[in-house]
Amino acid sequence: DGGITQSPKYLFRKEGQNVTLSCEQNLNHDAMYWYRQDPGQGLRLIYYSQIVNDFQKGDIAEGYSVSREKKESFPLTVTSAQKNPTAFYLCASSIRGRGDEQFFGPGTRLTVL
Amino acid sequence: AQSVTQLGSHVSVSEGALVLLRCNYSSSVPPYLFWYVQYPNQGLQLLLKYTTGATLVKGINGFEAEFKKSETSFHLTKPSAHMSDAAEYFCAVVASNTGKLIFGQGTTLQVKP
Repeated sequence: DGGITQSPKYLFRKEGQNVTLSCEQNLNHDAMYWYRQDPGQGLRLIYYSQIVNDFQKGDIAEGYSVSREKKESFPLTVTSAQKNPTAFYLCASSIRGRGDEQFFGPGTRLTVL
Repeated sequence: AQSVTQLGSHVSVSEGALVLLRCNYSSSVPPYLFWYVQYPNQGLQLLLKYTTGATLVKGINGFEAEFKKSETSFHLTKPSAHMSDAAEYFCAVVASNTGKLIFGQGTTLQVKP
C-alpha cells in the first residue's frame, strides 16, 4: 500500500537534546512538508521541499533543520534551539507542490521533559 | 496574502442533525480550497477539494461544500450527522504566490447521541 509513514508515534526527550523525526513516503511524490500542530493553532508550516537536495523554510523554521537526500525521505531534526518543542508533528507529501492535494502521515507526538 | 477563517472553534450537533462548518477565505486570485478531517492522534485526511468547475463539491462520508465567490466562503455541510463524524475539521486555501497550503484554526465537531 502506498502512503506516508512517520516514526516513532510517541517520542520523549530531555530538554537540550536534539531529536530527529522520520518521514518516509512511497507515493513517488516530489514535494514533502513538515507541519507543527498545537491545540487551537491549526497547522503551521516548518519546512518544505519540492525536489531532492532542495528545501525552503516555512513560517516557523527557527530551531528546526531538515534534509532531503532521497525523494522518499524528509527527516526533521528538532534542535535544542527550539524553545518550545513539545507538539504534534505532521509530515505530508504532494505530487508537485503547487496547489496539489497533500497526503498526511499519522504524526509524531514529541514531548520534551 | 491569502488567509482562512473558520467560524467557531467548537460545534455541537445531535446525531441525525445537519452539520454546518463555516469557512471564509481571502485570496486575490481564484482559490484552490480544501477541507480535511482529523481524528484524535491521527494525521489529516482529505474530505473534498475545489479547484475549478462546479461550485458544489461532493466529498467522502456524505460531506459536501459549496464555493461562493461573492461571499468568499467554502462552508462544509452534511445533511445528517453520525457519531463517527466527531473529529476536528480544517479548511485550507492555496497561497497563490508559493503554492503552499494555508490552514484555518480548525473546528472541533461534537456529535451528541
